[in-house]
Amino acid sequence: NAGVTQTPKFRVLKTGQSMTLLCAQDMNHEYMYWYRQDPGMGLRLIHYSVGEGTTAKGEVPDGYNVSRLKKQNFLLGLESAAPSQTSVYFCASSYSGTYSNQPQHFGDGTRLSIL
Amino acid sequence: AQSVTQPDIHITVSEGASLELRCNYSYGATPYLFWYVQSPGQGLQLLLKYFSGDTLVQGIKGFEAEFKRSQSSFNLRKPSVHWSDAAEYFCAVGSVFSIGGGADGLTFGKGTHLIIQP
Repeated sequence: NAGVTQTPKFRVLKTGQSMTLLCAQDMNHEYMYWYRQDPGMGLRLIHYSVGEGTTAKGEVPDGYNVSRLKKQNFLLGLESAAPSQTSVYFCASSYSGTYSNQPQHFGDGTRLSIL
Repeated sequence: AQSVTQPDIHITVSEGASLELRCNYSYGATPYLFWYVQSPGQGLQLLLKYFSGDTLVQGIKGFEAEFKRSQSSFNLRKPSVHWSDAAEYFCAVGSVFSIGGGADGLTFGKGTHLIIQP
């Protein structure tokens, strides 16, 4: 049972390049989340999804787009990468929302550097 | 807006000693509170959560936390730490983000780095 898998684990981009981070979960979870973690900042929510075909903005959505075409996958896109997007990105999933008795399960993270 | 404060950036504890990590929150309603642990290079693992009921909650790995509404606190404790407890610890509160309300997600504190001395 893999849980939450993030691809890739590391990536270096040049300013202006685009890329997509993939999150896959095999737990049949409805809810999926993308967070970014910066030194001394904790984790901040970028976007989330409450089910296949739905997405919503979190705390820091600017510069990112997401898609949830399949229930098991949640994609995070950077259309034009900026140095301020250098961060560690975490995906999480849960069976139901935060206000339920179900915890979020986290992937191991993607370390992204923008030069 | 909700917020979480972890006053201690770093804490050093001797192995076998007791531990308390502080967490204060700001939230307009009854909070849903969580403690997560992150080992180096890993994702976050849930230690425990508080939704309602008994204010002392037990978690995994021998951790417990006490919710004190009057102090807006949710401190994490462990009676005797082990070297394997060295990690980053995050307190979090359930959040409302969208302008229209009714959103989802967690607001995290900035974390406390726990160092265990032999």
